[in-house]
Amino acid sequence: GIQVEQSPPDLILQEGANSTLRCNFSDSVNNLQWFHQNPWGQLINLFYIPSGTKQNGRLSATTVATERYSLLYISSSQTTDSGVYFCAVGGGSQGNLIFGKGTKLSVKP
Amino acid sequence: ETGVTQSPTHLIKTRGQQVTLRCSSQSGHNTVSWYQQALGQGPQFIFQYYREEENGRGNFPPRFSGLQFPNYSSELNVNALELDDSALYLCASSPLAGLKSQYFGPGTRLLVL
Repeated sequence: GIQVEQSPPDLILQEGANSTLRCNFSDSVNNLQWFHQNPWGQLINLFYIPSGTKQNGRLSATTVATERYSLLYISSSQTTDSGVYFCAVGGGSQGNLIFGKGTKLSVKP
Repeated sequence: ETGVTQSPTHLIKTRGQQVTLRCSSQSGHNTVSWYQQALGQGPQFIFQYYREEENGRGNFPPRFSGLQFPNYSSELNVNALELDDSALYLCASSPLAGLKSQYFGPGTRLLVL
């Protein structure tokens, strides 16, 4: 099956700093989503981005499907950005998402 | 637009018992997927339901079963609970099986003692 690797596993930032999270996947996909999981466990949709570039406020994402990676950019980080960021891909007809292990982000005031 | 809801929020069971978790899909969505998230891990796909039929299944034993109802809500049933079943169970809905963005509910935390 498709393998999803996220890096780095842990990231500590000072408030106001920028960061880039990476997601590599092992095969072609027809679905790629970025999520933020808050401390209560809620998975919040950030981007649906199987290819191309999207921006939403301080967050943006780029997926280069031919090279099998996606990047999530967080600019001017805030303490509320803390949590775990997951990349998830889908490649088959089942419609299931395959998740990476996540990047745990801690933003210090 | 109503988001995905799940009940209960928390549950404690003992080994060997059975449990039923419930999910109401987002308005306009007809596909529901269930995921299990162990502590410190990413969610793992259990199964998906589309038009009341199972549309795919992950690597989970038959004691994990599900249902989807005509109003697109869904249940996850787990029989003969084991300690390793302790996890956060997440339900996600999407407007179309397979290819569209999935939206997650808040989850049910299950603790098996």
